[in-house]
Amino acid sequence: EVQLVGSGGGLVQPGGSLRLSCAASGFTFSDYAMSWVRQAPGKGLEWVSVLSGSGGITYYADSVKGRFTISRDNSKNTLYLQMNSLTAGDTAVYSCAKHYDFLPATPIDSWGQGTLVTVSS
Amino acid sequence: NFMLIQPHSVSGSPGKTITISCTRSSGNIASNYVQWYQQRPGSSPITVIYEDNQRPSGVPERFSGSLDSSSNSASLSISGLRTEDEADYYCQSFDTSNHVFGGGTKLTVL
Repeated sequence: EVQLVGSGGGLVQPGGSLRLSCAASGFTFSDYAMSWVRQAPGKGLEWVSVLSGSGGITYYADSVKGRFTISRDNSKNTLYLQMNSLTAGDTAVYSCAKHYDFLPATPIDSWGQGTLVTVSS
Repeated sequence: NFMLIQPHSVSGSPGKTITISCTRSSGNIASNYVQWYQQRPGSSPITVIYEDNQRPSGVPERFSGSLDSSSNSASLSISGLRTEDEADYYCQSFDTSNHVFGGGTKLTVL
């Protein structure tokens, strides 16, 4: 059974940084692309970033480009999201998601539990 | 980048059939696969349709997906509505470097 468990969320001041983690189990982690998707309170889903199974291909939403960095450690079956220069607009529940295949341009098939990031002074 | 436009809400009675549309703002809807995700209150989303019309294992046959090139849109149909189908539904598509979600549709089962 695929399990994706997010962690690292919390309260951070505007301009601050935070690193999220997503621990994966139940599948061969390095064989699949992974994404971060966020959902602001009461709002819809917003894709944030994706990277390939090897980590060699990464893409970002325009709203986070230059501020967020996605990465993975396939030896630890863990996905990361480094978030810098945070603003109130980044307040959301952040969830990791597994894709159907190795490359980023594939559908998402499994979703993890989210971790809440609140940006506020 | 393109957008995916969904109705804000739809409703239906138990046992009936509803359809949720997802219109692509630019580019051909058939150019990239469309997925549909169900999100019940307080829960993570689950995939109910992938690659336009494929159902993951465990998703009932009552859920089906299709494309309509004349309106440049995708549709999710749910037949035999049940109260547990009440949820938010999101369409999603992607190109080489970008994943796009629709704004979501709230399904109410009356």
